Amino acid sequence: NAGVTQTPKFQVLKTGQSMTLQCAQDMNHNSMYWYRQDPGMGLRLIYYSASEGTTDKGEVPNGYNVSRLNKREFSLRLESAAPSQTSVYFCASRRDVLVSWHFGDGTRLSIL
Amino acid sequence: DQQVKQNSPSLSVQEGRISILNCDYTNSMFDYFLWYKKYPAEGPTFLISISSIKDKNEDGRFTVFLNKSAKHLSLHIVPSQPGDSAVYFCAACRQGSREKLTFGTGTRLTIIP
Repeated sequence: NAGVTQTPKFQVLKTGQSMTLQCAQDMNHNSMYWYRQDPGMGLRLIYYSASEGTTDKGEVPNGYNVSRLNKREFSLRLESAAPSQTSVYFCASRRDVLVSWHFGDGTRLSIL
Repeated sequence: DQQVKQNSPSLSVQEGRISILNCDYTNSMFDYFLWYKKYPAEGPTFLISISSIKDKNEDGRFTVFLNKSAKHLSLHIVPSQPGDSAVYFCAACRQGSREKLTFGTGTRLTIIP
């Protein structure tokens, strides 16, 4: 099925470890996004990529890096994980002409 | 600073009745609004949207109303069905900054059979 695929679905890390969350979409969308969801906070934008080769900071970028590897893939990296980064991470993509984001099923990340 | 607010964390509605979910926003520059539905362990899925040039948009059982002067929008679900039980997120963005979708904190809707 077409859509946004995230890997892994679950991950437990120790403080200070590094981790890359993977995201791929097969809808030929130009724009891709990383959000985090925390209780009582809704979804907050971490980074986004409006097109292949470009990335920009969102609302909560500290502690994260991203790579837009090609049009399909957009990865999120935690270089030195902290307990405050325990969250559910969602990747999304969007067609330029339609204001509708398509989300993956999320990665649940726990930092001990 | 929460620019999109959903003041009701939860709502319970009898099956067959109308569900009304509310959302308020503070940024008058927002000109496009969306509702997303989220089941546990899944990503949010797009439900319905409305542009600021309209005050109502309808899609089957779902209708979104926008009151720009009050900076308020609502989602009506009629009739409510058990499969509607989920968390509903209101979201907003503005022209010229379509990349930055701002979400509310969500309302958990439970439909009682």
